[in-house]
Amino acid sequence: NAGVMQNPRHLVRRRGQEARLRCSPMKGHSHVYWYRQLPEEGLKFMVYLQKENIIDESGMPKERFSAEFPKEGPSILRIQQVVRGDSAAYFCASSPRGTIGGYTFGSGTRLTVV
Amino acid sequence: QQQVKQSPQSLIVQKGGISIINCAYENTAFDYFPWYQQFPGKGPALLIAIRPDVSEKKEGRFTISFNKSAKQFSLHIMDSQPGDSATYFCAAGLETSGSRLTFGEGTQLTVNP
Repeated sequence: NAGVMQNPRHLVRRRGQEARLRCSPMKGHSHVYWYRQLPEEGLKFMVYLQKENIIDESGMPKERFSAEFPKEGPSILRIQQVVRGDSAAYFCASSPRGTIGGYTFGSGTRLTVV
Repeated sequence: QQQVKQSPQSLIVQKGGISIINCAYENTAFDYFPWYQQFPGKGPALLIAIRPDVSEKKEGRFTISFNKSAKQFSLHIMDSQPGDSATYFCAAGLETSGSRLTFGEGTQLTVNP
């Protein structure tokens, strides 16, 4: 029973490139949440998705960031034209019922923008 | 009104001692208060959680104390062990109607042998 799988674990991008982060939820979980952790800070909510729907994207920056959770396949967090300030750890969590009490986090993707 | 403030930022404790981490929240509607443990290179893992209908919850060496009137809650780690060395995050949210957790800034705990 695999947990929440995130890949890649580490991603290096040059300024201006695109970053794609993938998250496969736990088996049976249809709710996915993305959080960002800047160095020496706590996790900040970005977006909450169900299959094929964005439920709450109030934590997402208005530009360059997008997320999707297609009917088939993993959830994708896409960052276009990355800047140095995007360097952070991005964590995905999934839950079976869409309640925060059921969160399970993945190990994260560490994005470094050079 | 969504902030959760956590202190101290770092904590050093001797093996066998008690580690205490404090958090304060602003939103009185929050009804779910978990603590997460994070080791380097790993994601946060749920340690223990409390709801406001109780003032204390204990699981093994870990205890949450909750003060609803003061809008504060704390984590106590009894008989701290070197293996407890990690970063601890408190969080708060609306358990059934909310989609997000609001996290504190984290406390880096070091337990010396």
